[in-house]
Amino acid sequence: KQEVTQIPAALSVPEGENLVLNCSFTDSAIYNLQWFRQDPGKGLTSLLLIQSSQREQTSGRLNASLDKSSGRSTLYIAASQPGDSATYLCAVLYGNNRLAFGKGNQVVVIP
Amino acid sequence: DTGVSQNPRHKITKRGQNVTFRCDPISEHNRLYWYRQTLGQGPEFLTYFQNEAQLEKSRLLSDRFSAERPKGSFSTLEIQRTEQGDSAMYLCASSPGSIAGRSVRETQYFGPGTRLLVL
Repeated sequence: KQEVTQIPAALSVPEGENLVLNCSFTDSAIYNLQWFRQDPGKGLTSLLLIQSSQREQTSGRLNASLDKSSGRSTLYIAASQPGDSATYLCAVLYGNNRLAFGKGNQVVVIP
Repeated sequence: DTGVSQNPRHKITKRGQNVTFRCDPISEHNRLYWYRQTLGQGPEFLTYFQNEAQLEKSRLLSDRFSAERPKGSFSTLEIQRTEQGDSAMYLCASSPGSIAGRSVRETQYFGPGTRLLVL
């Protein structure tokens, strides 16, 4: 079964601290892994996509790593800001073109 | 490129009524996906189209649900005889599907969703 787990489910950090969000997946036969951001009641915004052959991707303060063999990905957000408060979703794409999502990491950055 | 759009954004209906949602994908995107998200959960795959062909359907898609993409552009998702358990956010996504004639697996771009509340 293609399960995606995100830990922790929720976390609060003071502004300026680095955020570390973890994602694990049971089936390593992935095509790619995406990190999304979701604000309350809104749709999903794609942050980073890592192809299965890649080890990491970076965009500004965001860095995502992928260890396909161990079924893990980590999203790092440097120097967090209150505007980073949101739910972050990890999603894995398999050969059936279905994205399998975790339940998300709900983040609150305290000013 | 105006992104993926969905209408309506919100829908309140009484149990037993039928509802229909529309999704307009990014122009020239061949693939279109429907997902459902309930409170506190990640989105769950419902179905996907390659042009007008419906290629995958989840077991979540009961016989009360039907999706169409008649001309390979916009798509509709209809729920008949709605139940309170159908209350959720319904998300649509699209992706190019192919580049230079070659099938690719790539980023799915999501719309803002339609939030359904069944009373």
